[in-house]
Amino acid sequence: DGGITQSPKYLFRKEGQNVTLSCEQNLNHDAMYWYRQDPGQGLRLIYYSQIVNDFQKGDIAEGYSVSREKKESFPLTVTSAQKNPTAFYLCASSFQLAGGGDTQYFGPGTRLTVL
Amino acid sequence: GQQVMQIPQYQHVQEGEDFTTYCNSSTTLSNIQWYKQRPGGHPVFLIQLVKSGEVKKQKRLTFQFGEAKKNSSLHITATQTTDVGTYFCAGRRSSGDKLTFGTGTRLAVRP
Repeated sequence: DGGITQSPKYLFRKEGQNVTLSCEQNLNHDAMYWYRQDPGQGLRLIYYSQIVNDFQKGDIAEGYSVSREKKESFPLTVTSAQKNPTAFYLCASSFQLAGGGDTQYFGPGTRLTVL
Repeated sequence: GQQVMQIPQYQHVQEGEDFTTYCNSSTTLSNIQWYKQRPGGHPVFLIQLVKSGEVKKQKRLTFQFGEAKKNSSLHITATQTTDVGTYFCAGRRSSGDKLTFGTGTRLAVRP
């Protein structure tokens, strides 16, 4: 069963703690993305990766970090430096970053609440 | 950088009425994609348009790509409660660029 998974669905953390959100895909996609969505708002790009061991900052990368050690995995760490971390985080993947295979497939999302 | 704006930001319609959302880019796009996000869910790909002036239909949904490839629209005929959600367009400036998502239009339908 191919797809993209994120866990957990809901996550609670205390202020000042780092937290890592997982994203795994078995679609054999090269490109992966992290978006943040606030209530009633659009998608804001945090980081993206075109290929293993390479990633680029998106529009709102401050306070976040990522790694891409494996093709299937693209974890996102929300650090204590992120001022307003409470949000809905969506991971996505596509066959390619650009060109004909750039349709993005999204995971179910992780709703992070920082108390 | 590239900006993709959608209007309206929010629309509330009576079931059975038509609905249209417009997507406008500051730059010419090589493609436009449309996604739907149900409340509490994640965006799901609907369709892609590539050619200037292209029109595609999916049942009650009609998608258009402008002649200048800088704008697009999604029209829903006779809305149903199942159409509720946020509709995003996404476009790419060139073959080497990544997709940029629009600001989204949230549709609410009164039964």
